[in-house]
Amino acid sequence: QVTLKESGPGILQPSQTLSLTCSFSGFSLSTYGMCVGWIRQSSGKGLEWLANIWWNDDKYYNPSLKNRLTISKDTSNNQAFLKITNMDTADTATYYCARAGSLEYFDFWGPGTMVTVSS
Amino acid sequence: DIQMTQSPASLSASLGETVTIQCQASEDIYSGLAWYQQKPGKSPQLLIYGASSLQDGVPSRFSGSGSGTQYSLKISSMQTEDEGVYFCQQGLKYPLTFGSGTKLEIK
Repeated sequence: QVTLKESGPGILQPSQTLSLTCSFSGFSLSTYGMCVGWIRQSSGKGLEWLANIWWNDDKYYNPSLKNRLTISKDTSNNQAFLKITNMDTADTATYYCARAGSLEYFDFWGPGTMVTVSS
Repeated sequence: DIQMTQSPASLSASLGETVTIQCQASEDIYSGLAWYQQKPGKSPQLLIYGASSLQDGVPSRFSGSGSGTQYSLKISSMQTEDEGVYFCQQGLKYPLTFGSGTKLEIK
């Protein structure tokens, strides 16, 4: 069965870099057509897609976050990563990783990890 | 970016009532649309993909339809467990974008 789980620092200060890990099982990011994405949700708000990484290492980013995002993967250990530089209080949110397929929809999600940016 | 406009923002329905939620894209998305349900404190769950295909394990009272820029999610007989927030998402172009959500409650 497919499962994903996010991990992160919980809290960090403005201007710091956020590093998130998505540990998954039940599929491989080396398999043709597989993709892992990151999506965030501010408290009580909507969903914002951040980035996707594909089995062939293709990467796509939300341009609204300009050049702050870096997505990567470790296929051997079934993990995906997201770094966001120069964090601000506006980046306080729950961060989800999710599996996607060729139709760009997310069929399995992790439970999310809450990240608070505060001085 | 493709903008996704959902309506209504909230609604309440009686048990057994049919519920319809709308999603309009700012351009033709060629049925590249998914619907998700999110319950409080939980992650979103995929209900419908490709505008009308039911995800495995999702009750058959959920259905999706539409084409071009107009899409809808229908719940044929509202149940207590259907309370939550529903989001649409376009998968045609990057950046992937979501609707703002529809909060569904039991009347």
